[in-house]
Amino acid sequence: NAGVTQTPKFQVLKTGQSMTLQCAQDMNHNSMYWYRQDPGMGLRLIYYSASEGTTDKGEVPNGYNVSRLNKREFSLRLESAAPSQTSVYFCASIPGRNQETQYFGPGTRLLVL
Amino acid sequence: GENVEQHPSTLSVQEGDSAVIKCTYSDSASNYFPWYKQELGKRPQLIIDIRSNVGEKKDQRIAVTLNKTAKHFSLHITETQPEDSAVYFCAASDGNKLVFGAGTILRVKS
Repeated sequence: NAGVTQTPKFQVLKTGQSMTLQCAQDMNHNSMYWYRQDPGMGLRLIYYSASEGTTDKGEVPNGYNVSRLNKREFSLRLESAAPSQTSVYFCASIPGRNQETQYFGPGTRLLVL
Repeated sequence: GENVEQHPSTLSVQEGDSAVIKCTYSDSASNYFPWYKQELGKRPQLIIDIRSNVGEKKDQRIAVTLNKTAKHFSLHITETQPEDSAVYFCAASDGNKLVFGAGTILRVKS
């Protein structure tokens, strides 16, 4: 099992460019999450998907969109990147729907110039 | 919504001493409280968790206590070692998602 994988590992964008961060898990987990991590602010939830076919906003959804393509994959899209979106992005998953250990991916470091 | 506050933001201890990190939460409906450890450049990993029907849980050198009345919970690490140096995050669950504290940088000096 690879667990939770994320691509790319590192990306540099110019302001206004778009990109999609990919996340996949091979553990047959139901729920998946996208977080951003900024210094001194912990992990903040952007969007989550409690099950295939559903998505919900988290704490900081503005400027992002998500797609739960199937049970395995949950992508995060930045339509028009801004310097404020410079961050480390983590994807995570849990087996059920709530209150279980979250398994994190290795992260994507994004720099927006 | 849920709000989690974590203190201190940084903590330095001598190897062998104990370390205590405290968190408070706002939503009395929260009933799952995990702690994650993140080493530099790595992903967060669960080290211990506690549910609201339990007041204390221990796993070797790590323990967590929960006071539901006061809405706070704490992480205790005894006999600290250099490899305990990392960032520690507390979190609280409101049912289907976690809200994280801002993190505590723990430095263990040898």
